[in-house]
Amino acid sequence: RKEVEQDPGPFNVPEGATVAFNCTYSNSASQSFFWYRQDCRKEPKLLMSVYSSGNEDGRFTAQLNRASQYISLLIRDSKLSDSATYLCVVNGGWGKLQFGAGTQVVVTP
Amino acid sequence: GAVVSQHPSRVICKSGTSVKIECRSLDFQATTMFWYRQFPKKSLMLMATSNEGSKATYEQGVEKDKFLINHASLTLSTLTVTSAHPEDSSFYICSARGTGGTEAFFGQGTRLTVV
Repeated sequence: RKEVEQDPGPFNVPEGATVAFNCTYSNSASQSFFWYRQDCRKEPKLLMSVYSSGNEDGRFTAQLNRASQYISLLIRDSKLSDSATYLCVVNGGWGKLQFGAGTQVVVTP
Repeated sequence: GAVVSQHPSRVICKSGTSVKIECRSLDFQATTMFWYRQFPKKSLMLMATSNEGSKATYEQGVEKDKFLINHASLTLSTLTVTSAHPEDSSFYICSARGTGGTEAFFGQGTRLTVV
């Protein structure tokens, strides 16, 4: 089993709609979690950290469910510019970040 | 966020030659740097972790004699791909983490093509 798993998608989303997807992790001792965004042929960029209580940043909402060992990302009012691959990242200890393979989101006009 | 500069962004080299990729933290001290490679439509694969002043820790299956990592200062780490082969062609990305930090900041990436 992979340490961090994501649905690769693509999630095809009409502009203005809401999309949500999850990421599961296997290491129950993981302490910190992040969502990164990666555009084609670019480096990943931090989108948001994921806090235990859940957190929101504009149109983006992240949730953490430790009992079921997953995190989620929800994007409201999708924009064309939201089209990207979203990487789930788990800090597996000693600062070693473990990446999911990414979920591709395609926002269509 | 903090700035990490990776250079070069693109390099083409001949088989058998060596290529050096630099990763610099510009506005913070990077106590730990990570090197990843990414194949098309695949996840980033951690190659090695380096802490300033000590030897890098390589992930299983990564040849340390082929991928030489040096982290001589708190702002610079280098990855040297020795005796490059076409199968080494990939996208290499570094990331850096400061003291006590939990998130990592990424360089722009280097697209290596070995011909």
